[in-house]
Amino acid sequence: DAGVIQSPRHEVTEMGQEVTLRCKPISGHNSLFWYRQTMMRGLELLIYFNNNVPIDDSGMPEDRFSAKMPNASFSTLKIQPSEPRDSAVYFCASSPRVDPSTDTQYFGPGTRLTVL
Amino acid sequence: AQTVTQSQPEMSVQEAETVTLSCTYDTSESDYYLFWYKQPPSRQMILVIRQEAYKQQNATENRFSVNFQKAAKSFSLKISDSQLGDAAMYFCAYSSLSGTYKYIFGTGTRLKVLA
Repeated sequence: DAGVIQSPRHEVTEMGQEVTLRCKPISGHNSLFWYRQTMMRGLELLIYFNNNVPIDDSGMPEDRFSAKMPNASFSTLKIQPSEPRDSAVYFCASSPRVDPSTDTQYFGPGTRLTVL
Repeated sequence: AQTVTQSQPEMSVQEAETVTLSCTYDTSESDYYLFWYKQPPSRQMILVIRQEAYKQQNATENRFSVNFQKAAKSFSLKISDSQLGDAAMYFCAYSSLSGTYKYIFGTGTRLKVLA
């Protein structure tokens, strides 16, 4: 299996621009998670989906952030407009969530976002 | 609300020696999962080991083992025969079984392995 795939690996943009991060979960996994990692705040869960439905988006910092999962094999995290404080590494993770005994999250390689 | 605390921001170990990374957590739940993830400079988060709270036996994976003390809410990671490739950030994580399956991560411990 290819694992969780994220693109792009690096993104540099200017303040005010729209940024779209992409994620392809592991085939067959039912849950998908978006995290943000910064030095100041560590790893924060932004939103997670189960069976393509957003279950908890309480971690989304503000309305500039939105996430979608149109099908089981693709999700996007969009920031519009972007701000310098959004600079971070964004991780996508997926898990089977078929049974609690298999509830391990598998992370993608992350996208390093820099907003100038 | 659950919390996870890693009180050691940084640790060093000599190659081939043993090191223990600490993690404590707070929860009112009786059933949950605990994890250790490794994040090398490549940024990839890699699962190291997992422990189910209902299992009394400590999990082991080759050179990695945990000391799970449920009453004390402690979950330490022991790395034996440390190798240069073990150098990374290590994150402890808690997962509730009640509904959301959300992970709560600690702040991480940076492990340096000295040759």
